[in-house]
Amino acid sequence: GAGVSQSPSNKVTEKGKDVELRCDPISGHTALYWYRQSLGQGLEFLIYFQGNSAPDKSGLPSDRFSAERTGGSVSTLTIQRTQQEDSAVYLCASSPRRDTSNYGYTFGSGTRLTVV
Amino acid sequence: KQEVTQIPAALSVPEGENLVLNCSFTDSAIYNLQWFRQDPGKGLTSLLLIQSSQREQTSGRLNASLDKSSGRSTLYIAASQPGDSATYLCAVTNNNDMRFGAGTRLTVKP
Repeated sequence: GAGVSQSPSNKVTEKGKDVELRCDPISGHTALYWYRQSLGQGLEFLIYFQGNSAPDKSGLPSDRFSAERTGGSVSTLTIQRTQQEDSAVYLCASSPRRDTSNYGYTFGSGTRLTVV
Repeated sequence: KQEVTQIPAALSVPEGENLVLNCSFTDSAIYNLQWFRQDPGKGLTSLLLIQSSQREQTSGRLNASLDKSSGRSTLYIAASQPGDSATYLCAVTNNNDMRFGAGTRLTVKP
């Protein structure tokens, strides 16, 4: 696609429910990041995918969070047993390459998650 | 671990002023530095990308500089307009790690 697409754009869920957030990166981009931005806060790194390599999961805040990337393209971030502190905007970004200085990252519009 | 700091945290200026936003980082071994704009409730829009071998990039009224040795970048906005009001974020990338500053919230008053 022309840009990074995230869905849904908004999600309201009850505490304790599971949610799935989707990111469709720009076609051909091998690097994909998930970030979280809580209200009034900076961006918090969650997870990074690069091609077929094992993902860097070092930013996931708890074992309730997981992500996968099928076929090196679409990625899904899953949050199990949601808590109110999970409420935030979840942003996805993609880039053509990792280890080069030539490429920046393109962000999607984000998914605003509200846990009530 | 790379740490990125942006100063000031907030800035309010009258329309027409030129202004400078600052970004500093602790590890100079970067691939690139990118400036983003974020409007309230929206995602990030890329403004300028400076590769590690470059010193500056320009786009319209925006000019970004990079001094790797001192771990600093500046974003210069000329002739500011109310439409420039937003949060400006800088991000540095090295290896597979992209780190963001907390941002500068800019308000340009008519």
